[in-house]
This record gives sequence, C-alpha cells and structure tokens, in this order.
Amino acid sequence: GDSVTQMEGPVTLSEEAFLTINCTYTATGYPSLFWYVQYPGEGLQLLLKATKADDKGSNKGFEATYRKETTSFHLEKGSVQVSDSAVYFCALSQGGSEKLVFGKGTKLTVNP
Amino acid sequence: EPEVTQTPSHQVTQMGQEVILRCVPISNHLYFYWYRQILGQKVEFLVSFYNNEISEKSEIFDDQFSVERPDGSNFTLKIRSTKLEDSAMYFCASSLDGEYTEAFFGQGTRLTVV
Repeated sequence: GDSVTQMEGPVTLSEEAFLTINCTYTATGYPSLFWYVQYPGEGLQLLLKATKADDKGSNKGFEATYRKETTSFHLEKGSVQVSDSAVYFCALSQGGSEKLVFGKGTKLTVNP
Repeated sequence: EPEVTQTPSHQVTQMGQEVILRCVPISNHLYFYWYRQILGQKVEFLVSFYNNEISEKSEIFDDQFSVERPDGSNFTLKIRSTKLEDSAMYFCASSLDGEYTEAFFGQGTRLTVV
C-alpha cells in the first residue's frame, strides 16, 4: 500500500539555520503531497501542498517540491525561527480517496 | 478563526470499558474523519464520514469501533471494549469538500487504557 517515510527526529537547530526535513513516498498513480505542522497544544495544520510533479508548495518561508523521479517532497526553510519549533508531518493522498497517509512526524526544536 | 474542537484532551479508561471521544467539527464542513497515532508510530487513518454514513474505513476500524453524528454539531468515536493497544492520540478532522479541500484537525485526545 501507499506509504510515507520521513527523516527521524528530533532535529535541533539554532535560529537562522537552514532546515531540511526529508520525505519520500511510495504510491501508485500520482498522489497529492502535503506537509502538516503541529505546534505544541494544537491540532495539525496544513503548511503547504503540491498536487502534481514539479509543483512547488510554499508558505511562511517553507518550500517543498514534488519530485516524481525521486519520489520525494523534502521540506526546506532558509532561516528558521524559534516560533518554527513544532512537529512536521509529511503526508499523501490519492485521487478518489479522502484519507491522508502520514509519515511518523519530525520534531523540530529551534534554539535562540 | 473556526477550529475543530476535541474533548476531553486526555482520557484514562480501564481495559474492557467503553469510551466515547467527542469532536465538534467546523460548522459548514461536510466530511469528518478520525485518525490515531500510537506513541512513536505514524498517524493512521481510521474512518471518514459523509452524509451520515461511513464513506471509507481502514483495516484498523473493526467492529469495536463506531462513529456517529448524533446531532448537527458533534461527531463521536466509540470504542466498545477498549484494549491496551488502543492507547493512542486520536485526532478528529473535518473538511468542506472531501479530497479536494484542506482537512482541519483538532488538537487530539490522548487515550490511555490501563
């Protein structure tokens, strides 16, 4: 079945550092890809998405590009802030299905 | 800003007991979901619900589980006879238009079965 693998955490960075969280997927067909973020004490929030190959999703300085050839959707940010500390989830969905298939989540801590 | 609300935030129950987890989805949303995350594992889809019936469910969602929308605002997940392995964080979500629109998640209910 479909699956998502993302890099194990936790990840600890200093403020203004560059962030990459790796995500690869296994799926039949052409899934849509998502990054969700969960801040402490809150629900999962959609951060960005891409629905077809070579699409780039972006939001709040975060970016991810849908790479069909490497089945990847890595999350990047050029300069992280303390407020970016959260758990980040990579996910996919297939056309014709409402369900999201998630990775395990990667906890990011940004220190001042 | 509208949000999905889940209660309680943490529930402890004895093995074999019935438990009901409650959710209030965003008011104009039509699709409702339950997911769970066992500690250290992936967030897993349990069930989706539309037009007062289950539209999709996973293998996890067996006869021990049921969902209901008892009134116009609440969406509940019932586990009939809890097992230790049901201990997890349970997330409720809702979306306006199913697969084509963003799912909004609640903050989760941590269920601990002892």
